[in-house]
Amino acid sequence: IAGITQAPTSQILAAGRRMTLRCTQDMRHNAMYWYRQDLGLGLRLIHYSNTAGTTGKGEVPDGYSVSRANTDDFPLTLASAVPSQTSVYFCASSEGLAGNEQFFGPGTRLTVL
Amino acid sequence: GEDVEQSLFLSVREGDSSVINCTYTDSSSTYLYWYKQEPGAGLQLLTYIFSNMDMKQDQRLTVLLNKKDKHLSLRIADTQTGDSAIYFCAEMFSGGYNKLIFGAGTRLAVHP
Repeated sequence: IAGITQAPTSQILAAGRRMTLRCTQDMRHNAMYWYRQDLGLGLRLIHYSNTAGTTGKGEVPDGYSVSRANTDDFPLTLASAVPSQTSVYFCASSEGLAGNEQFFGPGTRLTVL
Repeated sequence: GEDVEQSLFLSVREGDSSVINCTYTDSSSTYLYWYKQEPGAGLQLLTYIFSNMDMKQDQRLTVLLNKKDKHLSLRIADTQTGDSAIYFCAEMFSGGYNKLIFGAGTRLAVHP
């Protein structure tokens, strides 16, 4: 059982380019989340999804979009990357509103030049 | 509003106890968590405490919650070099979704 996988592991991207970060979980969790981690700020929630077919905005959603076509996958898209989106991105999942533990993926380090 | 604060750095000698502190502003949280992040890795849940508890012990880990002062602490007994990592305190709020608010993280350095 892999848990949560993220791809790519790291990426350097030119400003203005479109980028999709992939996240897949095999735990059949209902809820999934995208966070960004920046030095001195901890983790901040970008978007979440309580179940397949639904998504919601977190604390810092601007410049990002998500989709949840099925239970396992929760891709995060940067339509037109900007340098302030340089960060480490973590995907997480939980059983849903009844689950109190979020399981995290290994992260994607993104650098926007 | 919701805010979680931690000191950024702690250095301890191997074998000593480590105490990592966290303060929070919103007392309506349901759970409080400690996550560990090793270099280049994701976050790993260490332990959590339900908001109506005062203490939880799990092997070398002791979590203390002072609701009056809105203070959470993590004590690691007999600290080892493998405990060197960043430790994040987080609050969970249940509502439209399970919302986690993280502190900035405390970097624990264990030296011989």
